Formats: sequence, C-alpha cells, structure tokens
Amino acid sequence: QKEVEQNSGPLSVPEGAIASLNCTYSDRGSQSFFWYRQYSGKSPELIMFIYSNGDKEDGRFTAQLNKASQYVSLLIRDSQPSDSATYLCAVIISGGYNKLIFGAGTRLAVHP
Amino acid sequence: GAGVSQSPRYKVTKRGQDVALRCDPISGHVSLYWYRQALGQGPEFLTYFNYEAQQDKSGLPNDRFSAERPEGSISTLTIQRTEQRDSAMYRCASSPLFLGPRGGEQYFGPGTRLTVT
Repeated sequence: QKEVEQNSGPLSVPEGAIASLNCTYSDRGSQSFFWYRQYSGKSPELIMFIYSNGDKEDGRFTAQLNKASQYVSLLIRDSQPSDSATYLCAVIISGGYNKLIFGAGTRLAVHP
Repeated sequence: GAGVSQSPRYKVTKRGQDVALRCDPISGHVSLYWYRQALGQGPEFLTYFNYEAQQDKSGLPNDRFSAERPEGSISTLTIQRTEQRDSAMYRCASSPLFLGPRGGEQYFGPGTRLTVT
C-alpha cells in the first residue's frame, strides 16, 4: 500500500462547479497535510495546509481532514479554467519531521 | 524577492559520467530539500538539510547519490557514475526553519531536467 494515494484522474468539471479532490494516507500517526498545485511543466506550489480535524477555508479552497478515516480532501468552489492543474496531496508521516511524502497527484480539468 | 534557483536547468550526460546539480535557496531559508520527480508522479523525497547539517538522507536511492550544503546556503546534489534510470526532474525546495507541523510548507525551485544517454 502506498503511503499517500490519490486518484490520478483526470477529474473533469464544468466552469463554476465544485471540484472535489481526495487523498488517503496509510500512517495513522501523520500530523500534517498539505495540498500543492502543479501546472504542466512547472514546479509545485503550496495552496493549503491543515493540521486539525475538520475544515479549513481559504478563499475558494477548503481543505477537509478526517484523521479517523485517514482521509484528506480539497474542495475548489467556483472552479475556473485557470484551476486546471495537477493537485498533489502531501503528508508528513509520524517521526518524519520535515520529510514530505507526496501522492502521485490528481489532474483537474475545468472546461468552459 | 528571488525564489529558489537551480542550475543547470537542463543537463544531458553520458552514462558513467558524474553530474553536480546546484540549488540556491530563498535567502534566509534554513531548511533545504531535494526531490526527484518522474513524469506523472509526485515528487519523491531524497534528502534534506537544516543549516549545513544533513538531517535525513533516507531517500537517496544508493551510494552513487550524495548531497552537501557546506555553508548552510547553496547545496549540491551529486550523482556519480550516472545510469539511464537516473534520468528525471530533480527539484530543490526551501523553507524557513519550522518547528512542529509546518515543515511541509516548502517553496520549490524550477528543477533540473537530467537526461542520461
């Protein structure tokens, strides 16, 4: 079992819709969870992080964490074509200090 | 301000040659990370430094790979006796020194695309 798993997609949503991206992780002791966005041919950039169970909102983005289910998600409201990118879920596993473990990413395509 | 820079951006080398990849972190960033990213995959952790101290090198694939950061700023990732399987995008990231859960807030450089022929 991979440490961080994501559906590779592509996830296709119409402009204005809510995009829901999901991630599961295997280490129950993981404490820190991050979402990075990577445009084609570019570097990953941090868009959200969450440490506590529940929801965290930042503009059009909401990160949700459920530690009991070992599940973290990212919701993008009012999706725009400019949101089309690969979204990488990353986790710091227990005892991992600053060592980020990335999933393979989910490709999101927002069509007009 | 300037972000993380890496050089060279592209490197083509013949199998068996040594290569050195350079990373210049954001000024003032204490922590520096090296990743390798294959096409269609997320970055794979290689190693990281706090200041000049290498904190974790568990991701280095084998002893042909090494990294250093002698003055706590610029870092070099060296691959000796390159093999075709080493071909990948090598990414560097940096962050301020975070204690606790914020260690994953990292800023990535543009990467070095390594091709071993």
